[in-house]
Amino acid sequence: AQSVTQPDIHITVSEGASLELRCNYSYGATPYLFWYVQSPGQGLQLLLKYFSGDTLVQGIKGFEAEFKRSQSSFNLRKPSVHWSDAAEYFCAVVSLNTGNQFYFGTGTSLTVIP
Amino acid sequence: DVKVTQSSRYLVKRTGEKVFLECVQDMDHENMFWYRQDPGLGLRLIYFSYDVKMKEKGDIPEGYSVSREKKERFSLILESASTNQTSMYLCASSWGGGSNQPQHFGDGTRLSIL
Repeated sequence: AQSVTQPDIHITVSEGASLELRCNYSYGATPYLFWYVQSPGQGLQLLLKYFSGDTLVQGIKGFEAEFKRSQSSFNLRKPSVHWSDAAEYFCAVVSLNTGNQFYFGTGTSLTVIP
Repeated sequence: DVKVTQSSRYLVKRTGEKVFLECVQDMDHENMFWYRQDPGLGLRLIYFSYDVKMKEKGDIPEGYSVSREKKERFSLILESASTNQTSMYLCASSWGGGSNQPQHFGDGTRLSIL
């Protein structure tokens, strides 16, 4: 069965510090991978996506993510966090085997302290 | 930009009522989805639709039904609302061109069943 794991329920970082949010997936086929961000009271906004090619992908708001097939991971990173990055972050996976059905992780809540 | 509009941001209903949640997208997307979001559980797929008058069950369809009479509109129906259906409901849409198409989300409807 397909699954997506975000091991960190909650992370706190200082403004200006670097950030890494973890995502691991379990799939038999080549996955398509996404990161979304959800600000309080809002829907989900797409940060970035990986389909193929270069394993390091750039997204909006200064975020990037790296696909590592050997580790079944797609971790999200940002070199310097801003207070406005405080939000909930979701990793999602879809594959040819699942059609258009996305599988979401349970999310990581990010708190940014001054 | 894709716009996915959910008719209500907040809704309060009583147990046993029939509840309609409406979602409209303006990008002529083939695929539409309904999720519920609960703390610690992430997003869980209720129903989805690949075309007008078509619907498919997601992971948690019990107690829900859907209607898609027009391509741009996808309605979620709680036939007889119960308190365990208190949740945040998110609608999403995507282009039908393949599994790698990102989903675009509305701002959500926070539904309380009393």
